[in-house]
Amino acid sequence: DQQVKQNSPSLSVQEGRISILNCDYTNSMFDYFLWYKKYPAEGPTFLISISSIKDKNEDGRFTVFLNKSAKHLSLHIVPSQPGDSAVYFCAASLYGGSQGNLIFGKGTKLSVKP
Amino acid sequence: DTAVSQTPKYLVTQMGNDKSIKCEQNLGHDTMYWYKQDSKKFLKIMFSYNNKELIINETVPNRFSPKSPDKAHLNLHINSLELGDSAVYFCASSADRAAGNTIYFGEGSWLTVV
Repeated sequence: DQQVKQNSPSLSVQEGRISILNCDYTNSMFDYFLWYKKYPAEGPTFLISISSIKDKNEDGRFTVFLNKSAKHLSLHIVPSQPGDSAVYFCAASLYGGSQGNLIFGKGTKLSVKP
Repeated sequence: DTAVSQTPKYLVTQMGNDKSIKCEQNLGHDTMYWYKQDSKKFLKIMFSYNNKELIINETVPNRFSPKSPDKAHLNLHINSLELGDSAVYFCASSADRAAGNTIYFGEGSWLTVV
């Protein structure tokens, strides 16, 4: 059973426009959410995170929004750049459980076209 | 200078063999992990060690045995390799076990069992 779901396997966006990547989760005990970015033949790298007590966190071009009632989070990239083309993984962490154990979604492949 | 390094990056081996993947982190972190990304692209935790002590052991066959000689190293030994073990194995580390801590991943080790 997938506790973290990224229902869009791929997304294509024009350079300069907004990229919106979505993630849904089922476990209301998750207390921390993270986005990782992965280029081919490399390991995932941390991008941005948000605590469950917040509904928005912004870092430069990247903003993560959390809607706890809907168990939904999204990553906005504005403006999108060709270098943003990668696979983006949503991940969630359990409070009081296996701390440090991240539960990942399957990823969304973002392609930003020049 | 790579923060989390793992070797080998690519490994092709026959069924029934025993192989090891080595991992080292130079970040001074207390906690290290092994994650597995299978053919369906799911990235799942296998093991977590904190200061050389096993913390997380998900449902992994006992053919997989992690070994942590010190907190900077976490090696993965696999006995009697099976076709289904073919996957990408990512080593990772974080400062400690706190929920939501940024986890830094290595570049991955592509294991193919033939």
